Amino acid sequence: GNSVTQMEGPVTLSEEAFLTINCTYTATGYPSLFWYVQYPGEGLQLLLKATKADDKGSNKGFEATYRKETTSFHLEKGSVQVSDSAVYFCALSEGGSNYKLTFGKGTLLTVNP
Amino acid sequence: DTAVSQTPKYLVTQMGNDKSIKCEQNLGHDTMYWYKQDSKKFLKIMFSYNNKELIINETVPNRFSPKSPDKAHLNLHINSLELGDSAVYFCASSPQRKGELFFGEGSRLTVL
Repeated sequence: GNSVTQMEGPVTLSEEAFLTINCTYTATGYPSLFWYVQYPGEGLQLLLKATKADDKGSNKGFEATYRKETTSFHLEKGSVQVSDSAVYFCALSEGGSNYKLTFGKGTLLTVNP
Repeated sequence: DTAVSQTPKYLVTQMGNDKSIKCEQNLGHDTMYWYKQDSKKFLKIMFSYNNKELIINETVPNRFSPKSPDKAHLNLHINSLELGDSAVYFCASSPQRKGELFFGEGSRLTVL
């Protein structure tokens, strides 16, 4: 079956530091890949997505590139802010009759001023 | 205007009780979901409906029964609540079984 593996957290960084959160996946077909963010006390929001190999998703300074050869979709940001503190989820989907998102376990990011 | 709304946001109840969580989406999506998020933030799908038809039913105890009166609503009823049911339950919707999911703000259930 499909699965997503994310780096274990928590991750603690200082403001303006570089962020990488690793994500690798296992899928039988050609999934779409997503990063969702969950701020404290809120639901999940889509951060970025990529639907095919070599696509780069980007939003709010975050980027992730769909790497089919390494089955990875690592999240990066060049300079984090305190407001980026949240839980980040990597997810994949495959279309078809049983469409759903399969999520990684989430990575808690804390950014200190 | 909230796209996916759930009620109640917080629910505290005793073991053995029966409770319901309601979800409504105004996005015109055909597919709706219930996910459970445990205390370690792990998200697991429970159910999915497409146009009122159940299409995904993961390994969930029979005490959990979803109901979709129309494609804009998906409710979750839980019988005989147990301590292990304590979690945050998220409703979500997606267009035509593809693309991103849009999540509600979650309903935090605490069973005492």
